[in-house]
Amino acid sequence: AQTVTQSQPEMSVQEAETVTLSCTYDTSESDYYLFWYKQPPSRQMILVIRQEAYKQQNATENRFSVNFQKAAKSFSLKISDSQLGDAAMYFCAYRAGEYGNKLVFGAGTILRVKS
Amino acid sequence: ETGVTQTPRHLVMGMTNKKSLKCEQHLGHNAMYWYKQSAKKPLELMFVYNFKEQTENNSVPSRFSPECPNSSHLFLHLHTLQPEDSALYLCASSQVGLGIYGYTFGSGTRLTVV
Repeated sequence: AQTVTQSQPEMSVQEAETVTLSCTYDTSESDYYLFWYKQPPSRQMILVIRQEAYKQQNATENRFSVNFQKAAKSFSLKISDSQLGDAAMYFCAYRAGEYGNKLVFGAGTILRVKS
Repeated sequence: ETGVTQTPRHLVMGMTNKKSLKCEQHLGHNAMYWYKQSAKKPLELMFVYNFKEQTENNSVPSRFSPECPNSSHLFLHLHTLQPEDSALYLCASSQVGLGIYGYTFGSGTRLTVV
């Protein structure tokens, strides 16, 4: 069974600084997708960034980028120029293949942004 | 607004009550899901519906009864719940065959069982 592990229950970052959230996963599949979701206090789960396992190039979305290490099964999220609005719970998630239905989540990391 | 709407936003119910949670998606997706989010625990997948057919039930107690009348609507019927069932219940939808797009979530129903 696939598992996703986020080893950092909480992280803090100073406004305008950079922070990296860690995620590792376990799978025997070769075709899969990885995601980072953000859940602010409003509870809305928002997709931040996604990565296809067959792509070697790391995904980037504005201030958000990932470091995808397929052999190590590692998928970390880097947030640059952190803003107060980035404060939220961040979840790493895995989905197997094109027709994989289950989105498996890690336990989440609470990110606090200090002004 | 994500295109997935959940009602009610908050619900307080007694252990002997019967209530239902509703989820509606306007995205043309063909799969819908119920997740339970409890404090300090990972999101738990409860039910999966593909094309209105239930394809997964993750050992969920029978006091939770899902219903999917069509691809756009999903219900979670609740009866004789326990206090430990208090949690945030999230609905999501996706398009099977387009794995890259992940899920789209609703804002959840905060359920409190008293």
